[in-house]
Amino acid sequence: QVQLVESGGGLVKPGGSLRLSCAASGFTFSDYYMSWIRQAPGKGLEWVSYISSSGSTIYYADSVKGRFTISRDNAKNSLYLQMNSLRAEDTAVYYCARDNPSRAWGQGTLVTVSS
Amino acid sequence: EIVLTQSPGTLSLSPGERATLSCRASQSVSSSYLAWYQQKPGQAPRLLIYGASSRATGIPDRFSGSGSGTDFTLTISRLEPEDFAVYYCQQYGSRYTFGQGTKLEIK
Repeated sequence: QVQLVESGGGLVKPGGSLRLSCAASGFTFSDYYMSWIRQAPGKGLEWVSYISSSGSTIYYADSVKGRFTISRDNAKNSLYLQMNSLRAEDTAVYYCARDNPSRAWGQGTLVTVSS
Repeated sequence: EIVLTQSPGTLSLSPGERATLSCRASQSVSSSYLAWYQQKPGQAPRLLIYGASSRATGIPDRFSGSGSGTDFTLTISRLEPEDFAVYYCQQYGSRYTFGQGTKLEIK
């Protein structure tokens, strides 16, 4: 069955960096668009970034542009999100999701930005 | 950026009743690239509707979507206890944006 498992979350100080990973299984990863979507505690969903199946097309939300970098390794069935210059407002559960729109989601990984 | 506004913010209904949730876009959503998700506490969202009116795999037929352009609706014909949750609309025609959500609570 389709499985997406995020990892790499944790506590980081403002200005710090973190790299999230999403391990995919149960489907042909290289065939699908992938996205990162986040949810601040008690708040709604916010799309962060997506990447096409080949990696040739990438978009970011304005709130993270220039600070976050999405990438994928189709040989390793993995999606990544490099997050730099983190701010308190980046605190959220980060989900990786498959498809456009998103038919499969991981369980999420919590990123907390605090001093 | 396309802004999606959902109404009402909270909807209080009883099981068996009909629920109507609204999603209005700040500009036309191309090719009806409008989706609806359900999210329960502590869980990831689940896709219900895509293309404004197509049910995702395994979604009961009491859920239906309609609309085009800037006005979209999610209807739940007869509420079951498991339907009480938060619902989000999303447009995926011009990058992605989500509405702020409608909480469907038991009256």
